[in-house]
Amino acid sequence: EAGVTQFPSHSVIEKGQTVTLRCDPISGHDNLYWYRRVMGKEIKFLLHFVKESKQDESGMPNNRFLAERTGGTYSTLKVQPAELEDSGVYFCASSQNLGTAYEQYFGPGTRLTVT
Amino acid sequence: GNSVTQMEGPVTLSEEAFLTINCTYTATGYPSLFWYVQYPGEGLQLLLKATKADDKGSNKGFEATYRKETTSFHLEKGSVQVSDSAVYFCALGGSGGSNYKLTFGKGTLLTVNP
Repeated sequence: EAGVTQFPSHSVIEKGQTVTLRCDPISGHDNLYWYRRVMGKEIKFLLHFVKESKQDESGMPNNRFLAERTGGTYSTLKVQPAELEDSGVYFCASSQNLGTAYEQYFGPGTRLTVT
Repeated sequence: GNSVTQMEGPVTLSEEAFLTINCTYTATGYPSLFWYVQYPGEGLQLLLKATKADDKGSNKGFEATYRKETTSFHLEKGSVQVSDSAVYFCALGGSGGSNYKLTFGKGTLLTVNP
């Protein structure tokens, strides 16, 4: 079974540019999550999808961030325009169902550097 | 709100040494507690978990006990190996309808030398 994959693994962009991160969850996992780790800080929850619906986007930092999951399969996270403080590692995770009985499987992350 | 405080690293040990990584939490309700591990170049993997007070999670020789009275979930291993070198994250699950929302500590980098 393939794990959660993320693309790209690393992205370097200039302030003001746009970047789109992609996440492919484990096949059959309806729940998809985005998290972010800013340098030296905790990994923080950004949002949660159930299939194609956003269930909880309480962790999204501001309206420069837009997440989509068209068709309920892969998800994209767009940052437009990027700012220096957006630098960090963006993790995607998926789970078969909700609740702590169901493990969230994480991808390797996308390291975003905004210069 | 929920928060997790874990021992700042980095931690460097010799092979076969005893490992403890401290983790304390603040939360409402009765959250589940987790330890995740991230090996170089890989995603976070669930190492172990405990869902209620006094539960002990264990896996690959690692153990952690959910201590409600001290709000702690310290990670221990009796004899570390070079292959245990990784970043370790303590985390807690949200309460009630937000139990999917994980709150993480800052992570502790462990390096084990041969």
